[in-house]
Order: sequence, then structure tokens, then C-alpha cells
Amino acid sequence: ETGVTQSPTHLIKTRGQQVTLRCSSQSGHNTVSWYQQALGQGPQFIFQYYREEENGRGNFPPRFSGLQFPNYSSELNVNALELDDSALYLCAGQGEGSTEAFFGQGTRLTVV
Amino acid sequence: AQSVTQLGSHVSVSEGALVLLRCNYSSSVPPYLFWYVQYPNQGLQLLLKYTSAATLVKGINGFEAEFKKSETSFHLTKPSAHMSDAAEYFCAVSGWAGSYQLTFGKGTKLSVIP
Repeated sequence: ETGVTQSPTHLIKTRGQQVTLRCSSQSGHNTVSWYQQALGQGPQFIFQYYREEENGRGNFPPRFSGLQFPNYSSELNVNALELDDSALYLCAGQGEGSTEAFFGQGTRLTVV
Repeated sequence: AQSVTQLGSHVSVSEGALVLLRCNYSSSVPPYLFWYVQYPNQGLQLLLKYTSAATLVKGINGFEAEFKKSETSFHLTKPSAHMSDAAEYFCAVSGWAGSYQLTFGKGTKLSVIP
């Protein structure tokens, strides 16, 4: 049990649509990160939020955006979906100053 | 900049045999190193981590890894493979560069043959 839950577990969207993925982390996880894991690949860092402010971003276009809320929940929004956005999206929570990330079970997004 | 290279996308071992999964890293800051395991259709579970204390790190499920700075390696080992070890294993590096983001390798799929 990691204390991080994601919803939904699976999602199918059409190219060009927008999607919102949700993550709920346990109390004390001031930092939340999102990763994209394409099939057969390792997770790729999308961005990180610390105390509701973006605190680092990977090589992803601006149509990937996020929010973090005071109740330790967060969202990943993707606009103008492309077929290549099909992947497992992972959320990870970290405590203050901790190097250890606790991952949720992921949301499998399929874009058709 | 940080990067991780995992040698061997697929490793097969017999049940009871030694497991050795290789990981080499590069980092411009003192690294923290991690091994994660992923079972099918699940998220990532932390096996063990190196954070500049002991160079030999023991983790869950009988796994351990040794940090070798001179070789920039952090190989994962287990003396005796069990069927339940079959999964995908990811090596990752992070280091303070404004945020503790993880950079992952491409993963090694471990198969255990009965």
C-alpha cells in the first residue's frame, strides 16, 4: 500500500479530445510527480508540483498541464490528444525533503 | 543531466538460480539510485534505494544492490530466484537539481523458468 490512488484505472479517448486524470496522495506528500510510461518503455518524467506550484518539467509540450490541491490531490490534463499519448500515466507522491517516491497503480489511457 | 542504462531488456533464469540485473548511470550531481519492480498492469513498487549511506543496500524480497562509484553501476542481485520474482525491473536515478525527479532506464523483464 503506497498511499497513492489514481482514477480512473482505464480510459479510452478519441484523438483531439481532452482528458483529466486524477491522483490522491496521502497526507504529508507535499510533492507530486507525473510520469508517462509508453508500452515497453520506462516511465518518463512529465512534471512535478510542490505546494501547488510547478517545480520541474520534463520534455513534454504545453498541452500537458497539471494542478495540485491543498488536500494532496492532483490532476494531469492533456489537451488535443494524439495517438502517441496512449500510455500508462503514473502519479507519485513524496514527503517533505524525501527522495523516495510512492507510486499509484496508474491510469491506462488509450487514444483512438 | 542524468541517465540510466539497463543492460538486457530481457533476462531469463531458472528457479533457484542467481538473479543479476545490470544498471549503469550517469549524473552531474551526487546521485540517489533506486530499483523499482512492476508487475503486469500495476504501478511501481520500490525494492531498494541508495542515498549515500552504505554502498551495499538491502531491499525487500531478498534483493540487494551495490553502489560502485568507480564503475557508475548499481546492479541488482538476488541469490535464489523465485517464481514470484517474474516481473519488470526499473533502475532509476535522481539527484537534487531543483527537484527530485526520477530518470528511469528502459527496464529489464525478468522471467523465471521452473
